[in-house]
Amino acid sequence: SQQGEEDPQALSIQEGENATMNCSYKTSINNLQWYRQNSGRGLVHLILIRSNEREKHSGRLRVTLDTSKKSSSLLITASRAADTASYFCATDAYGQAGTALIFGKGTTLSVSS
Amino acid sequence: DAGVTQSPTHLIKTRGQQVTLRCSPKSGHDTVSWYQQALGQGPQFIFQYYEEEERQRGNFPDRFSGHQFPNYSSELNVNALLLGDSALYLCASSLRQGNEQYFGPGTRLTVT
Repeated sequence: SQQGEEDPQALSIQEGENATMNCSYKTSINNLQWYRQNSGRGLVHLILIRSNEREKHSGRLRVTLDTSKKSSSLLITASRAADTASYFCATDAYGQAGTALIFGKGTTLSVSS
Repeated sequence: DAGVTQSPTHLIKTRGQQVTLRCSPKSGHDTVSWYQQALGQGPQFIFQYYEEEERQRGNFPDRFSGHQFPNYSSELNVNALLLGDSALYLCASSLRQGNEQYFGPGTRLTVT
């Protein structure tokens, strides 16, 4: 079974708008990561947030983590057509670093110009 | 500095055959993990290798086996292929106890 579940499953926006994706998970975690995947190719690591962090920024990306609600959100500001991709959250199995990653089904983001 | 590389890029096999996929980790990484991604789904963990031994395994049958070599590269073997084994197979490398896993471009396996 998959630990993380992203919401929404699909999101369509215009260039320049912000995109928000949410992720829920079931068990305790050591950290939570977000990945991007273009057209069924390899995953690109975007950002990692540790369980003791509440918010993290990287360029146009902002990630929040609420361990009490077992949820995280990824905000992409000022979206571009190049942001069109699938986005996955991943948590470490058993709450231990260096272990298997458990992925959700992903959010498919479409940014039109 | 080369990232994670995988070969081949695409592969077509017939039911019942066997297949071997290969992965070279990112320079400096010693741990390799394999994932299977079916169409429209997130990646699912198959197993992880460190120090040439399988350290963790996901919910996959024994038809899936692997190997890690002294140079940290790895192979994924699948025997008695089924139609349901058609998927994108992703290799990821990391440092032991490291948090971030770096993924290769994947091998697209089609079983007919």
